[in-house]
Amino acid sequence: QVQLVQSGAEVKKPGASVKVSCKASGYTFTSYGISWVRQAPGQGLEWMGWISAYNGNTNYAQKLQGRVTMTTDTSTSTAYMELRSLRSDDTAVYYCAREHRRWFDPWGQGTLVTVSS
Amino acid sequence: EIVMTQSPATLSVSPGERATLSCRASQSVSSNLAWYQQKPGQAPRLLIYGASTRATGIPARFSGSGSGTEFTLTISSLQSEDFAVYYCQQYNNWPPREWTFGQGTKVEIK
Repeated sequence: QVQLVQSGAEVKKPGASVKVSCKASGYTFTSYGISWVRQAPGQGLEWMGWISAYNGNTNYAQKLQGRVTMTTDTSTSTAYMELRSLRSDDTAVYYCAREHRRWFDPWGQGTLVTVSS
Repeated sequence: EIVMTQSPATLSVSPGERATLSCRASQSVSSNLAWYQQKPGQAPRLLIYGASTRATGIPARFSGSGSGTEFTLTISSLQSEDFAVYYCQQYNNWPPREWTFGQGTKVEIK
């Protein structure tokens, strides 16, 4: 079955960087894009950006431009999301999701990133 | 940016009753709208795409309708497993991608 498995929880200090991985299985990785969505504690969903697993093209949310980089490794069917210059309001659960014709299905299990001094 | 507004924020419903959730877009998104269900501690799950097409494995009690700026998710007879938060998402604005979600509607047991 189609599955996305993410890396484990992270605790980072303000100003640091975090890199979250998302390993795909059960489908042809390069046939779909991966979007990243985050959810602050008790809040709603925020789309962060998208990467094509076919050619590496990216599209980032305007508010994160310059701080986020999304990459893929097609040899391992893994997508990565790196967020730099972390602030306390970056504390959230980060999800990867397969973008299927612009909607998201399925989603990874989520990775909690806590930013705290 | 297209702003998605969901109402109500919380909906109290008894098991077996119908639930009607609304989602409004700040400008037309045609039928480019999806609905997701999220239970506590879990990732969201796709319910509906194209405003009205149920995703694979989604029970027929879930239905979506609308186009343009006004959309509705209806759960015809609430089961215990349906109490959750529901989000709408527009995917009309592209390129480049500018996907946005509503703030969610929590469906709770009355």
